[in-house]
Amino acid sequence: GAGVSQSPRYKVTKRGQDVALRCDPISGHVSLYWYRQALGQGPEFLTYFNYEAQQDKSGLPNDRFSAERPEGSISTLTIQRTEQRDSAMYRCASSSNPGQGSGELFFGEGSRLTVL
Amino acid sequence: AQSVTQPDIHITVSEGASLELRCNYSYGATPYLFWYVQSPGQGLQLLLKYFSGDTLVQGIKGFEAEFKRSQSSFNLRKPSVHWSDAAEYFCAVAVSGYSTLTFGKGTMLLVSP
Repeated sequence: GAGVSQSPRYKVTKRGQDVALRCDPISGHVSLYWYRQALGQGPEFLTYFNYEAQQDKSGLPNDRFSAERPEGSISTLTIQRTEQRDSAMYRCASSSNPGQGSGELFFGEGSRLTVL
Repeated sequence: AQSVTQPDIHITVSEGASLELRCNYSYGATPYLFWYVQSPGQGLQLLLKYFSGDTLVQGIKGFEAEFKRSQSSFNLRKPSVHWSDAAEYFCAVAVSGYSTLTFGKGTMLLVSP
């Protein structure tokens, strides 16, 4: 697509429910990244993929968080048994270059998650 | 681990005035440095980046930034601010092309008429 697309844009859920956030990267982009941005903070790295391979998941806060990119394109970030502290903006980015340090990341508009 | 500090949470500038947003990093060697802008309802957009070479880098939308090793700084500047520049600005650092990108907490720029 023309840009990185994320859905849903807004998600309100009750504590204990599972949520799935979807990211559709720019067509042909090799790398896909997930970040979380709490209110008043900068984006924090969660995990990233080159093609379908998850390269680094060191930023995932605990085992309730998981991500996949089975065909090397669309990715899903899943949060199981949501808690109020999971409320944040979840941002996806893609890049034609492998590695975040290249800096040329294209971000989507984000998915705003609110856990009640 | 590397870190980034943006000391100003909010800055208000009059339209047409000059702008400087501060960014300081903590890392033993020269990192890769970036400035991103986030407009309301938009994703983050890369303004400029510094890897090596000339310490004054030019970016999009008339922005520039200067890397100063002695001060561990990478401040963003613009000579004349436009109302459309009102947004949140994030400084970011990476220690290599393949490392994690670490963002500062951001500076919100308000532009007054």
